[in-house]
Amino acid sequence: GQQLNQSPQSMFIQEGEDVSMNCTSSSIFNTWLWYKQDPGEGPVLLIALYKAGELTSNGRLTAQFGITRKDSFLNISASIPSDVGIYFCAGDTSGTYKYIFGTGTRLKVLA
Amino acid sequence: NAGVTQTPKFQVLKTGQSMTLQCAQDMNHEYMSWYRQDPGMGLRLIHYSVGAGITDQGEVPNGYNVSRSTTEDFPLRLLSAAPSQTSVYFCASSYRRGPGQPQHFGDGTRLSIL
Repeated sequence: GQQLNQSPQSMFIQEGEDVSMNCTSSSIFNTWLWYKQDPGEGPVLLIALYKAGELTSNGRLTAQFGITRKDSFLNISASIPSDVGIYFCAGDTSGTYKYIFGTGTRLKVLA
Repeated sequence: NAGVTQTPKFQVLKTGQSMTLQCAQDMNHEYMSWYRQDPGMGLRLIHYSVGAGITDQGEVPNGYNVSRSTTEDFPLRLLSAAPSQTSVYFCASSYRRGPGQPQHFGDGTRLSIL
C-alpha cells in the first residue's frame, strides 16, 4: 500500500531555534495536511495545502506543497516550549477522503 | 460547539468480549471516519462513511463493524475483541463538499484488550 515517509522521527531543539520536517510519498497527492498531536488528545489541524507549489503560513508555522506533488515540508520558526508534541503529515491521493498518515515527528523543545 | 465527541475515553476488555465505541459530531459533517493509532505509527484508517447509510472499508477493517444511521453518529463495533486490537481509536469528521476537506478529530478512546 501507499506509504508516507516522515522525517526526522524525533528531534530535540533549543527554544528559539527554527525547525524543519518533511514528508515524502511514493504517490502523487492532491492534498497535504499537517497536524499536531498533544499527549492524550486527538490531532489538531495546523495547515492544509491544496495546490502544488503552494506555500501557506499559520503564525510561526509555514508549510509547502512540493512541486512534484510527492512531498511536503513544515517549518516552525523561533520554537517555544508549547511546540512540543507529535507532528503528522497526511495526504489524500484522489479526493476520496481516505487520508494516508505519516508516522509522525516527535518534537521536544529544550528551554 | 462540542465538535467531535468520543465515548468512552478509556476501556479495558477481556479477549472475546464485544463493545461499541461511540462517536458523535455536531458540525453537520457528511464524512466520518475511524482510525487506530499504535505506538510509533501514524493513524490507520479502519472504516469511513460519506453520508448516512453509506460506509466503506479503510486500510485495516478486519474485526470491526460500523453503521451510519444518522449524520451525527458513527459507532465502531468490536465483534470479538483480540489483544491485537489494543490501541487508541480516533474518530474524525469533515465536510464532503470540495476536494481535500480537512478532518476534525475527537480526543480518542484508549482501549486495552487483556
